[in-house]
Amino acid sequence: KAGVTQTPRYLIKTRGQQVTLSCSPISGHRSVSWYQQTPGQGLQFLFEYFSETQRNKGNFPGRFSGRQFSNSRSEMNVSTLELGDSALYLCASSLETSGGGDTQYFGPGTRLTVL
Amino acid sequence: GNSVTQMEGPVTLSEEAFLTINCTYTATGYPSLFWYVQYPGEGLQLLLKATKADDKGSNKGFEATYRKETTSFHLEKGSVQVSDSAVYFCALSDSTGGFKTIFGAGTRLFVKA
Repeated sequence: KAGVTQTPRYLIKTRGQQVTLSCSPISGHRSVSWYQQTPGQGLQFLFEYFSETQRNKGNFPGRFSGRQFSNSRSEMNVSTLELGDSALYLCASSLETSGGGDTQYFGPGTRLTVL
Repeated sequence: GNSVTQMEGPVTLSEEAFLTINCTYTATGYPSLFWYVQYPGEGLQLLLKATKADDKGSNKGFEATYRKETTSFHLEKGSVQVSDSAVYFCALSDSTGGFKTIFGAGTRLFVKA
């Protein structure tokens, strides 16, 4: 089975712009989670989607949003970019039918740099 | 709310040394516990997991036992190799956490030849 794929792998934007990141989960996985990874804050949970519904959201401002499509692919959007949004954005998929305990499979991440 | 605390790094060891990375957790329910590893330049991948108290997860010579009485899930390996150099993350997930996995801050391990 193909793993989790994320596009693009690298992105450079300037402050005030917006960006859309894409994630394709492993075939058959219906849960997709997004994380922001920075050296200072570690791995911070952004949100989780299951069958096109957001089931949980982390403590991020409304500039961060996401969605999931009927084929389980997911996108996240960050509007009005700030320098502090520079990070590695990781997507993970899982079967997640029970609400907890399933292994998450991570993509390679999108490295976003905001200038 | 749920939380995970793991020992700060970096941890530097010589090849064949014994490794312990401490991890403790706080959870309101009955979580599953995980160790994920991130090798240089790669994404996170599952190293091992345990889904209930007293379970032992193991993989690639690494082990961790789910200790409910001490709310711990310490990672151990008897003899580390240079190839084990990576960042190790302890994590928990449960249904009361609302479909969210909580990660520790990560511990960077350097193994010298």
